[in-house]
Amino acid sequence: DAKTTQPNSMESNEEEPVHLPCNHSTISGTDYIHWYRQLPSQGPEYVIHGLTSNVNNRMASLAIAEDRKSSTLILHRATLRDAAVYYCILNSIQGAQKLVFGQGTRLTINP
Amino acid sequence: DAGITQSPRHKVTETGTPVTLRCHQTENHRYMYWYRQDPGHGLRLIHYSYGVKDTDKGEVSDGYSVSRSKTEDFLLTLESATSSQTSVYFCAISDVSGGKGETQYFGPGTRLLVL
Repeated sequence: DAKTTQPNSMESNEEEPVHLPCNHSTISGTDYIHWYRQLPSQGPEYVIHGLTSNVNNRMASLAIAEDRKSSTLILHRATLRDAAVYYCILNSIQGAQKLVFGQGTRLTINP
Repeated sequence: DAGITQSPRHKVTETGTPVTLRCHQTENHRYMYWYRQDPGHGLRLIHYSYGVKDTDKGEVSDGYSVSRSKTEDFLLTLESATSSQTSVYFCAISDVSGGKGETQYFGPGTRLLVL
């Protein structure tokens, strides 16, 4: 399975934008880039995913590099409720659909 | 929120006893998964199901078995619990995506302590 690399932790201030990077240099052409987050004492929840083009939804934006070797999850205006561990995961459409979670980035939001 | 429940939510058991965890969904999704999460590790896939009576192993399947006799229920059994199986267990579901990269929805988790 293709691997992703994320910083262990990041810190930001409330109401400021947050850019969470993810490197996936061995991504294949059929891999989708998924982001999940896990709030304290909860199961992971889906945030956003994309293949090649940038994507927006009500939670976040996903910016994908042209060569697809990296991506950035953007929280436009962080709130205290965004404090969580964020996971960047590659999900191939070939074969069984099995998510491989890395360590993720622990995001701390300061009031 | 996707309709996924897990039972029990907390369990304490003794080494050597069998344990069964239940995942129940009301979404009629085809795929169901069991993960475990330990300190210092992300979630790791134990087993998954791609239909009734159709299951396969994940990354850390040793010591675990699963069964799916109905679309809505996916059972995880520890045949003889060991202390190394102390963990938080998460169930997840997903549906057929048509090759567009599926999204998984996770349950609230079950905390298992094996003494």
